[in-house]
Amino acid sequence: GEDVEQSLFLSVREGDSSVINCTYTDSSSTYLYWYKQEPGAGLQLLTYIFSNMDMKQDQRLTVLLNKKDKHLSLRIADTQTGDSAIYFCAALMNRDDKIIFGKGTRLHILP
Amino acid sequence: ETGVTQSPTHLIKTRGQQVTLRCSSQSGHNTVSWYQQALGQGPQFIFQYYREEENGRGNFPPRFSGLQFPNYSSELNVNALELDDSALYLCASTYQAGPGGLTTDTQYFGPGTRLTVL
Repeated sequence: GEDVEQSLFLSVREGDSSVINCTYTDSSSTYLYWYKQEPGAGLQLLTYIFSNMDMKQDQRLTVLLNKKDKHLSLRIADTQTGDSAIYFCAALMNRDDKIIFGKGTRLHILP
Repeated sequence: ETGVTQSPTHLIKTRGQQVTLRCSSQSGHNTVSWYQQALGQGPQFIFQYYREEENGRGNFPPRFSGLQFPNYSSELNVNALELDDSALYLCASTYQAGPGGLTTDTQYFGPGTRLTVL
Protein backbone atom coordinates (compact mmCIF):
# COMPACT_ATOMS: atom_id res chain seq x y z
CA GLY A 1 0.00 0.00 0.00
CA GLU A 2 0.88 3.63 -0.23
CA ASP A 3 1.36 5.38 3.08
CA VAL A 4 3.46 8.14 4.54
CA GLU A 5 3.23 8.64 8.27
CA GLN A 6 4.51 11.33 10.57
CA SER A 7 3.79 12.53 14.08
CA LEU A 8 1.19 15.29 14.24
CA PHE A 9 2.77 17.72 16.71
CA LEU A 10 6.21 18.82 17.88
CA SER A 11 7.06 21.55 20.40
CA VAL A 12 10.59 22.92 20.52
CA ARG A 13 12.22 25.79 22.36
CA GLU A 14 13.57 28.63 20.28
CA GLY A 15 17.24 28.04 19.55
CA ASP A 16 17.04 24.26 19.99
CA SER A 17 17.07 21.75 17.14
CA SER A 18 13.81 20.33 15.79
CA VAL A 19 13.69 16.80 14.46
CA ILE A 20 10.64 15.74 12.48
CA ASN A 21 10.35 12.07 11.62
CA CYS A 22 8.55 10.29 8.81
CA THR A 23 8.11 6.70 7.67
CA TYR A 24 6.97 5.50 4.28
CA THR A 25 5.88 2.12 3.06
CA ASP A 26 6.75 2.00 -0.64
CA SER A 27 10.35 0.90 -1.14
CA SER A 28 10.18 1.96 -4.79
CA SER A 29 10.03 5.62 -3.76
CA THR A 30 12.95 7.31 -5.48
CA TYR A 31 12.55 10.84 -4.22
CA LEU A 32 11.50 12.01 -0.78
CA TYR A 33 10.53 15.57 -0.02
CA TRP A 34 9.96 17.92 2.84
CA TYR A 35 7.44 20.71 2.35
CA LYS A 36 6.54 23.60 4.63
CA GLN A 37 3.07 25.10 4.85
CA GLU A 38 2.42 28.32 6.72
CA PRO A 39 -1.12 29.43 7.61
CA GLY A 40 -3.05 30.56 4.56
CA ALA A 41 -0.21 29.70 2.21
CA GLY A 42 0.52 26.99 -0.29
CA LEU A 43 3.24 24.41 0.04
CA GLN A 44 6.89 25.39 -0.14
CA LEU A 45 9.44 22.74 -1.07
CA LEU A 46 12.19 22.88 1.56
CA THR A 47 14.41 20.09 0.37
CA TYR A 48 14.41 16.66 -1.21
CA ILE A 49 16.63 13.62 -1.11
CA PHE A 50 17.19 10.89 -3.66
CA SER A 51 16.83 7.35 -2.40
CA ASN A 52 20.50 6.47 -2.94
CA MET A 53 21.61 9.18 -0.52
CA ASP A 54 21.88 8.89 3.26
CA MET A 55 22.10 12.52 4.15
CA LYS A 56 21.63 15.94 2.67
CA GLN A 57 22.45 19.23 4.34
CA ASP A 58 21.27 22.66 3.28
CA GLN A 59 22.09 25.49 5.67
CA ARG A 60 20.03 24.85 8.82
CA LEU A 61 18.29 21.81 7.33
CA THR A 62 19.61 18.26 7.49
CA VAL A 63 17.74 15.35 5.94
CA LEU A 64 18.61 11.81 7.00
CA LEU A 65 17.35 8.80 5.09
CA ASN A 66 17.42 5.21 6.32
CA LYS A 67 16.28 3.34 3.25
CA LYS A 68 16.36 -0.04 4.96
CA ASP A 69 13.89 1.13 7.61
CA LYS A 70 12.10 3.50 5.20
CA HIS A 71 12.60 6.30 7.69
CA LEU A 72 13.19 9.94 6.82
CA SER A 73 13.93 12.80 9.19
CA LEU A 74 14.26 16.55 8.92
CA ARG A 75 16.44 18.36 11.42
CA ILE A 76 16.15 22.13 11.72
CA ALA A 77 19.08 23.62 13.61
CA ASP A 78 18.68 26.73 15.76
CA THR A 79 14.89 26.75 15.43
CA GLN A 80 13.42 30.22 15.00
CA THR A 81 9.90 31.54 15.51
CA GLY A 82 9.61 31.81 11.72
CA ASP A 83 9.96 28.04 11.51
CA SER A 84 6.54 27.64 13.06
CA ALA A 85 4.49 25.86 10.39
CA ILE A 86 3.22 22.47 9.29
CA TYR A 87 5.88 20.26 7.74
CA PHE A 88 4.86 17.59 5.25
CA CYS A 89 6.89 14.57 4.34
CA ALA A 90 6.17 13.30 0.83
CA ALA A 91 7.33 10.39 -1.29
CA LEU A 92 7.37 10.04 -5.07
CA MET A 93 5.83 6.76 -6.13
CA ASN A 94 8.12 5.71 -8.95
CA ARG A 95 5.59 3.58 -10.75
CA ASP A 96 3.07 6.32 -11.47
CA ASP A 97 4.81 9.62 -10.65
CA LYS A 98 2.31 10.28 -7.89
CA ILE A 99 3.49 12.14 -4.81
CA ILE A 100 2.01 10.85 -1.55
CA PHE A 101 1.97 13.26 1.38
CA GLY A 102 1.89 12.56 5.09
CA LYS A 103 -0.65 14.33 7.27
CA GLY A 104 1.88 16.91 8.38
CA THR A 105 3.67 17.73 11.63
CA ARG A 106 2.72 20.99 13.29
CA LEU A 107 5.89 22.56 14.71
CA HIS A 108 5.27 24.85 17.66
CA ILE A 109 8.06 27.08 18.92
CA LEU A 110 8.25 27.79 22.62
CA PRO A 111 9.84 31.07 23.77
CA GLU B 1 6.09 33.98 -4.29
CA THR B 2 6.00 30.96 -6.57
CA GLY B 3 4.49 32.61 -9.62
CA VAL B 4 1.52 30.22 -9.43
CA THR B 5 -1.82 31.85 -8.81
CA GLN B 6 -5.24 30.39 -8.10
CA SER B 7 -8.71 31.83 -8.20
CA PRO B 8 -10.93 32.32 -6.42
CA THR B 9 -9.38 32.40 -2.96
CA HIS B 10 -12.55 31.24 -1.26
CA LEU B 11 -15.75 29.76 -2.58
CA ILE B 12 -18.99 28.61 -1.01
CA LYS B 13 -21.28 26.23 -2.89
CA THR B 14 -24.21 24.04 -2.00
CA ARG B 15 -24.47 20.30 -2.37
CA GLY B 16 -25.22 19.19 -5.91
CA GLN B 17 -23.78 22.28 -7.57
CA GLN B 18 -20.83 22.38 -9.93
CA VAL B 19 -17.62 24.37 -9.43
CA THR B 20 -14.66 25.43 -11.54
CA LEU B 21 -11.37 26.33 -9.92
CA ARG B 22 -8.60 28.02 -11.86
CA CYS B 23 -4.85 27.94 -11.75
CA SER B 24 -2.27 29.96 -13.60
CA SER B 25 1.08 28.22 -13.84
CA GLN B 26 4.51 29.69 -14.14
CA SER B 27 5.43 30.59 -17.69
CA GLY B 28 7.04 27.64 -19.42
CA HIS B 29 5.65 25.02 -17.07
CA ASN B 30 4.03 22.26 -19.11
CA THR B 31 2.76 20.18 -16.20
CA VAL B 32 0.14 20.94 -13.60
CA SER B 33 -1.02 18.75 -10.74
CA TRP B 34 -4.08 19.25 -8.59
CA TYR B 35 -4.36 18.25 -4.96
CA GLN B 36 -7.17 18.18 -2.42
CA GLN B 37 -6.21 19.02 1.16
CA ALA B 38 -8.93 18.34 3.70
CA LEU B 39 -8.68 20.04 7.07
CA GLY B 40 -5.92 18.48 9.17
CA GLN B 41 -4.75 16.24 6.34
CA GLY B 42 -1.95 16.22 3.85
CA PRO B 43 -2.63 17.01 0.21
CA GLN B 44 -4.06 14.15 -1.83
CA PHE B 45 -3.22 13.85 -5.50
CA ILE B 46 -6.24 14.31 -7.78
CA PHE B 47 -4.65 14.26 -11.23
CA GLN B 48 -1.87 15.66 -13.35
CA TYR B 49 -1.94 17.23 -16.79
CA TYR B 50 1.08 17.20 -19.07
CA ARG B 51 0.91 19.20 -22.28
CA GLU B 52 -2.89 19.43 -22.08
CA GLU B 53 -3.52 15.73 -21.55
CA GLU B 54 -4.29 13.86 -18.34
CA ASN B 55 -1.12 12.11 -17.21
CA GLY B 56 -2.03 10.27 -14.04
CA ARG B 57 -4.95 10.22 -11.66
CA GLY B 58 -5.44 9.56 -7.97
CA ASN B 59 -8.39 7.90 -6.27
CA PHE B 60 -11.00 10.48 -7.19
CA PRO B 61 -14.29 9.82 -9.01
CA PRO B 62 -14.95 10.97 -12.58
CA ARG B 63 -16.95 13.97 -11.36
CA PHE B 64 -13.52 15.51 -10.76
CA SER B 65 -12.22 16.58 -14.15
CA GLY B 66 -9.67 19.01 -15.47
CA LEU B 67 -8.43 20.97 -18.40
CA GLN B 68 -5.07 22.44 -19.23
CA PHE B 69 -4.67 25.21 -21.77
CA PRO B 70 -1.70 26.27 -23.94
CA ASN B 71 -1.44 29.59 -22.09
CA TYR B 72 -0.23 27.87 -18.85
CA SER B 73 -3.64 28.02 -17.22
CA SER B 74 -5.70 25.08 -16.05
CA GLU B 75 -9.03 24.26 -14.48
CA LEU B 76 -10.36 21.78 -11.97
CA ASN B 77 -14.06 21.05 -12.36
CA VAL B 78 -16.12 19.24 -9.79
CA ASN B 79 -19.68 18.19 -10.57
CA ALA B 80 -22.44 17.16 -8.16
CA LEU B 81 -20.67 18.60 -5.15
CA GLU B 82 -20.77 16.66 -1.91
CA LEU B 83 -20.19 17.91 1.63
CA ASP B 84 -16.91 15.96 1.78
CA ASP B 85 -15.59 17.98 -1.15
CA SER B 86 -15.04 20.87 1.27
CA ALA B 87 -11.27 21.34 1.29
CA LEU B 88 -8.33 23.44 0.17
CA TYR B 89 -7.57 22.74 -3.48
CA LEU B 90 -3.98 23.25 -4.51
CA CYS B 91 -2.44 23.32 -7.93
CA ALA B 92 1.26 22.85 -8.55
CA SER B 93 3.14 23.46 -11.75
CA THR B 94 6.48 22.30 -13.05
CA TYR B 95 8.36 21.64 -16.25
CA GLN B 96 8.85 18.02 -17.25
CA ALA B 97 11.02 16.82 -20.09
CA GLY B 98 8.65 13.93 -20.70
CA PRO B 99 5.38 12.50 -19.36
CA GLY B 100 7.20 10.33 -16.81
CA GLY B 101 9.71 12.89 -15.71
CA LEU B 102 8.45 14.14 -12.34
CA THR B 103 11.48 13.86 -10.12
CA THR B 104 13.34 16.65 -8.51
CA ASP B 105 11.75 19.17 -10.78
CA THR B 106 10.38 21.46 -8.18
CA GLN B 107 6.63 21.67 -8.10
CA TYR B 108 5.61 25.23 -7.42
CA PHE B 109 2.40 25.36 -5.44
CA GLY B 110 -0.23 28.03 -5.60
CA PRO B 111 -1.86 29.38 -2.42
CA GLY B 112 -4.97 27.29 -2.94
CA THR B 113 -8.71 27.78 -3.22
CA ARG B 114 -10.72 27.01 -0.11
CA LEU B 115 -14.01 25.41 -1.14
CA THR B 116 -16.85 25.08 1.35
CA VAL B 117 -19.83 22.94 0.41
CA LEU B 118 -22.98 23.51 2.47
